[in-house]
Amino acid sequence: DPKIIQKPKYLVAVTGSEKILICEQYLGHNAMYWYRQSAKKPLEFMFSYSYQKLMDNQTASSRFQPQSSKKNHLDLQITALKPDDSATYFCASSQDGGSYAEQFFGPGTRLTVL
Amino acid sequence: GQQVQQSPASLVLQEGENAELQCNFSSTATQLQWFYQRPGGSLVSLLYNPSGTKHTGRLTSTTVTKERRSSLHISSSQITDSGTYFCAMERTTGANTGKLTFGHGTILRVHP
Repeated sequence: DPKIIQKPKYLVAVTGSEKILICEQYLGHNAMYWYRQSAKKPLEFMFSYSYQKLMDNQTASSRFQPQSSKKNHLDLQITALKPDDSATYFCASSQDGGSYAEQFFGPGTRLTVL
Repeated sequence: GQQVQQSPASLVLQEGENAELQCNFSSTATQLQWFYQRPGGSLVSLLYNPSGTKHTGRLTSTTVTKERRSSLHISSSQITDSGTYFCAMERTTGANTGKLTFGHGTILRVHP
């Protein structure tokens, strides 16, 4: 059974619209993360959460908003979508937040913005 | 400048040959992790190795923290080892938020 679930696997959106990417982990971890991988840039860190609290935010835009309704959930809301937002978004988790904890990645959501 | 540099950028091997992948980083690291990715696939954690030497199966990683480098050795390569290998580290900042910075990866192709 997959331990980190990301939904949907593929997503197509139009410019200006809003989408929510879902992430749930069943590893019993206390920290969750979002990363982005696009053709133009290497894998980029976006957010880290520990015990549902924001620890780090490296996104330059407020259009990206993480939402944590439960300890094992960290969704990513993206508003006013742009073609440059097209990328694969990976959710990850670790036992504890911060350093000294191996991170495990989900299967990703591939977002295409037209 | 680029915080995590991986070399070589690509590598072609015959099945059975060994591979040595290098990772150099520009600042001290609190954690170091090696990942594997198939095209269109997810990132699979291979080894978590912030310092010293660790083994798993045909993989060996050696991280020398003071010298800001890590290596991944793949012995007796197999066709199924083909893919991209990423090195990722977290800088020692005091904040320790789990932010991993990735290199551009080494693309490995193993031929029969």
